[in-house]
Amino acid sequence: EAQVTQNPRYLITVTGKKLTVTCSQNMNHEYMSWYRQDPGLGLRQIYYSMNVEVTDKGDVPEGYKVSRKEKRNFPLILESPSPNQTSLYFCASSFQAGGNTIYFGEGSWLTVV
Amino acid sequence: QKEVEQDPGPLSVPEGAIVSLNCTYSNSAFQYFMWYRQYSRKGPELLMYTYSSGNKEDGRFTAQVDKSSKYISLFIRDSQPSDSATYLCAMRTGGADGLTFGKGTHLIIQP
Repeated sequence: EAQVTQNPRYLITVTGKKLTVTCSQNMNHEYMSWYRQDPGLGLRQIYYSMNVEVTDKGDVPEGYKVSRKEKRNFPLILESPSPNQTSLYFCASSFQAGGNTIYFGEGSWLTVV
Repeated sequence: QKEVEQDPGPLSVPEGAIVSLNCTYSNSAFQYFMWYRQYSRKGPELLMYTYSSGNKEDGRFTAQVDKSSKYISLFIRDSQPSDSATYLCAMRTGGADGLTFGKGTHLIIQP
């Protein structure tokens, strides 16, 4: 089954404690990205990757890091989380950059206290 | 002016009604238009996409794009309670650029 898997699904953490949200896709997609979804603001892209070792900033990259060492994995790293990073996070992938069919993961609910 | 405008709702209609969901946009370079459906606590899933102006039908769903008015619509016929979800429009210019999303319309179909 084609899917994008992200973990953890739910996390409560404290300010400043580094955390990583993992993302893996099994469709051999080149393009992967991270979004955050906030009430009243909609979906906003954090970072994206066009292929292995190629990453770039989206609309709201501050406070986040990513890496793409393997095609299937695209972890999102919060080096020093702050309360304004409390949000619902989605990993997504598509066959290639500019693809119209984007597959989203189930989402990761992150609360920073 | 925001790039993509979408009424957040909620839009509540009785089962069996025809639903019309809409987005307006300001960037005339947008060429690809998509509708995603998002159930509560789930990731968005692609419903339909359309290139440029025109209509596209898929079962009970029809997507309509009017580039001259910078206006897109999604119609749902014979609406069902299972259609209750948030509907997000999305669009992009072409090439390798990412999607610009509307904020979503929360739709409720009353049994």
